[in-house]
Amino acid sequence: GEDVEQSLFLSVREGDSSVINCTYTDSSSTYLYWYKQEPGAGLQLLTYIFSNMDMKQDQRLTVLLNKKDKHLSLRIADTQTGDSAIYFCAERITGGGNKLTFGTGTQLKVEL
Amino acid sequence: DVKVTQSSRYLVKRTGEKVFLECVQDMDHENMFWYRQDPGLGLRLIYFSYDVKMKEKGDIPEGYSVSREKKERFSLILESASTNQTSMYLCASSSPTGGSNQPQHFGDGTRLSIL
Repeated sequence: GEDVEQSLFLSVREGDSSVINCTYTDSSSTYLYWYKQEPGAGLQLLTYIFSNMDMKQDQRLTVLLNKKDKHLSLRIADTQTGDSAIYFCAERITGGGNKLTFGTGTQLKVEL
Repeated sequence: DVKVTQSSRYLVKRTGEKVFLECVQDMDHENMFWYRQDPGLGLRLIYFSYDVKMKEKGDIPEGYSVSREKKERFSLILESASTNQTSMYLCASSSPTGGSNQPQHFGDGTRLSIL
């Protein structure tokens, strides 16, 4: 079955890089997503990566995928206070329609 | 831009009441989903629907039902609300995948308190 795990908290200083990690168990993942949730709001799609890619870069965001270890990471360069939020990784598996399995979410706190 | 609208941001109901949470999307998406979000547990899928009048159970359907009479609207129903259903409820919609990337788009959530 699918299981997606993340650490619950991460604290960084403004201007540093943040790295949020995610592990998943289902090897038939097709797409993996990162969503951001600001306080009191729904989830906003940040970026995604197709399972045959190793890396994807989008402005300050870099997604790394290690399929062998089933490990996904999101790096945010030059982290700002506006990046403080909960970050969810999610996987879509082959044959699962468009169902997603979400991780527990990582609360990122950016300190001055 | 895709717009997914949930009818209430905050809702307070009493134990035993029948509760309706409404969700409307404006992008003609076939797929719609209801999740609940609890601290430390992430998002858990309650029910989803791939088409009008179709519904499928998610991971935690007990105590809930859904209705999809029109393509743009997906309702979550708590038949007899209980305190353990106090949570944040999130609705999402997407196009069918067809093997391509079709991410889910989320509403702002309804924070439901059952007293």
